[in-house]
Amino acid sequence: DSGVTQTPKHLITATGQRVTLRCSPRSGDLSVYWYQQSLDQGLQFLIQYYNGEERAKGNILERFSAQQFPDLHSELNLSSLELGDSALYFCASSVYGNRDPEAFFGQGTRLTVV
Amino acid sequence: GNSVTQMEGPVTLSEEAFLTINCTYTATGYPSLFWYVQYPGEGLQLLLKATKADDKGSNKGFEATYRKETTSFHLEKGSVQVSDSAVYFCALSDSGGSNYKLTFGKGTLLTVNP
Repeated sequence: DSGVTQTPKHLITATGQRVTLRCSPRSGDLSVYWYQQSLDQGLQFLIQYYNGEERAKGNILERFSAQQFPDLHSELNLSSLELGDSALYFCASSVYGNRDPEAFFGQGTRLTVV
Repeated sequence: GNSVTQMEGPVTLSEEAFLTINCTYTATGYPSLFWYVQYPGEGLQLLLKATKADDKGSNKGFEATYRKETTSFHLEKGSVQVSDSAVYFCALSDSGGSNYKLTFGKGTLLTVNP
């Protein structure tokens, strides 16, 4: 158990809909990262938050947004869903925002868009 | 930008065989290098890491040496077990500026047969 909790584990929704994925980082970790894992693109970095502020952005679509709340949990919002958004979404957390300790990953949310 | 290239899988070995999974990287500065492992149905777990040139990371019989001259971080294990069957990801940290994120290779599926 990494200490990072993601909910829900599975999500099935229709095209055009909006979903929210939730992540609770390890106790004491200030940074949260979101990754998308798909068969064709591999593991892609989406976005990073550190202590409530956006720190880095990767290949995140404009239809996607995220935030980190004062209690440090984070949510990833995916809207106007398309079939191609079907993927495994991982959250990871680490202590710092600008150094390189290891990142701890949650078990992921599997999103299926039908 | 930064990138990681690892050998395409899948790799299938018999128990007690020698394992090498190649990983090369392109990066500015001096990144840290990581190997993560993903067991079926689980999130990614850090397997080992190296933070500077010539460092050797090791864990659970796996080893990898940070080779700056060849920009490589190949994963090796002398005798694999069935329980090593998983997807292995090579990654580097991008700690430029005030940001930090991991850039992953596409992953290599390892299957070890008894």
